[in-house]
Amino acid sequence: EVVMTQSPATLSVSPGERATLSCRASQSVGINLAWYQQKPGRSPRLLIYGASTRAAGIPARFSGSGSGTEFTLTINSLQSEDFAVYYCQQYHNWPPLTFGGGTKVETK
Amino acid sequence: EVQLVESGGGLVQPGGSLRLSCAASGFTFSTFWMYWVRQVPGKGLVWVSLINSDGSKTMYADSVKGRFTVSRDNAESTLYLQMNSLRVEDTAVYYCAREGNYYDSTGSLRYFQHWGQGALVTVSS
Repeated sequence: EVVMTQSPATLSVSPGERATLSCRASQSVGINLAWYQQKPGRSPRLLIYGASTRAAGIPARFSGSGSGTEFTLTINSLQSEDFAVYYCQQYHNWPPLTFGGGTKVETK
Repeated sequence: EVQLVESGGGLVQPGGSLRLSCAASGFTFSTFWMYWVRQVPGKGLVWVSLINSDGSKTMYADSVKGRFTVSRDNAESTLYLQMNSLRVEDTAVYYCAREGNYYDSTGSLRYFQHWGQGALVTVSS
């Protein structure tokens, strides 16, 4: 099983600043990596797939990078609606499809 | 507009059974793989099961293998999850999800493009 580890668990950021979230895989997952955003009481929303491709309707301030075992989600100029929990997910070696434990982005 | 609407959640005693349904609309259901993902309130996301487009392939997380069965009715555009021998640790919100719209550069669609609103399953005596 590919174990996905996200850091930090909580990230405190001021509106307008940049947030950088990390996701590490226990073995190479190539670029088969997706990012999701989840707000309290809501379902997850796909942000990024293929490590760096934004899903339809996702603002350009969200960007993904990385390959192999190290990945980054960057949110530029954080907006109020971006405060949420973010999950990475690998879909290279499955089953199982595995998620990271999440990073909560909160207001500083 | 793609819609996935789960139903069938509720309170059940340990050892009991429950069947979740996920009614799909807004896309050609029979051409997409479908998934179940669960989330203990306040915790992270965990993949539970998948089924391919014609229902001939199913896969399960080890934690539910032998107890849960995923199926689909393409004529009715509905996904199911039959959950038997339920345990307290199965308590979670269960989401149905649809595979990706677009292939990534490796030709894979195994990410979750659309999600339902979730159905809460509580296993407790």
